[in-house]
Amino acid sequence: QKEVEQDPGPLSVPEGAIVSLNCTYSNSAFQYFMWYRQYSRKGPELLMYTYSSGNKEDGRFTAQVDKSSKYISLFIRDSQPSDSATYLCATRLSGGGNKLTFGTGTQLKVEL
Amino acid sequence: GAVVSQHPSRVICKSGTSVKIECRSLDFQATTMFWYRQFPKQSLMLMATSNEGSKATYEQGVEKDKFLINHASLTLSTLTVTSAHPEDSSFYICSASSPEGEKLFFGSGTQLSVL
Repeated sequence: QKEVEQDPGPLSVPEGAIVSLNCTYSNSAFQYFMWYRQYSRKGPELLMYTYSSGNKEDGRFTAQVDKSSKYISLFIRDSQPSDSATYLCATRLSGGGNKLTFGTGTQLKVEL
Repeated sequence: GAVVSQHPSRVICKSGTSVKIECRSLDFQATTMFWYRQFPKQSLMLMATSNEGSKATYEQGVEKDKFLINHASLTLSTLTVTSAHPEDSSFYICSASSPEGEKLFFGSGTQLSVL
């Protein structure tokens, strides 16, 4: 079993739709949770960074962490074609430096 | 966010040659940098942790003599793929911890193609 599971997609949605991306993880010791966006043949870009359970909102993006069910989500409101990319969830331990454990990434395509 | 610069973005080389990839933190000092490789449609796999002024820490299964890492300054880490072979063809990405140490920022990646 992988430490972080993520549906690879691809996920195709119409422009303006609300997108829900999800990951599950197995290690209850993970404390920090991140979402990265990666365009093709580019490095990942940090979108959201959260600590422990709860919600965090930044513009059209909302990250949710439910530690009781080991479930993390990213919601994208009013999705745009420019949101088309691969979204990677990542976690790390508290005090674990910055050694991240990544999901496989979900490929998202927002169509006109 | 912090800026991490990676060069070259793409390199094509013949089998048996060595390739050096540079990773620089542009506006901050990074005592720790990380090197990943990524195959198509797969996630990032951590290869090694690069520590300024000391030897790199390699993940299990990564050949340290194959992938030489040097972190000679607080803003520069290099990865040298020695005697590259076609199976080394991959997307290599570096990253650096933010000054406060909590967030990880990535370079733009290097696509290595070994003929």
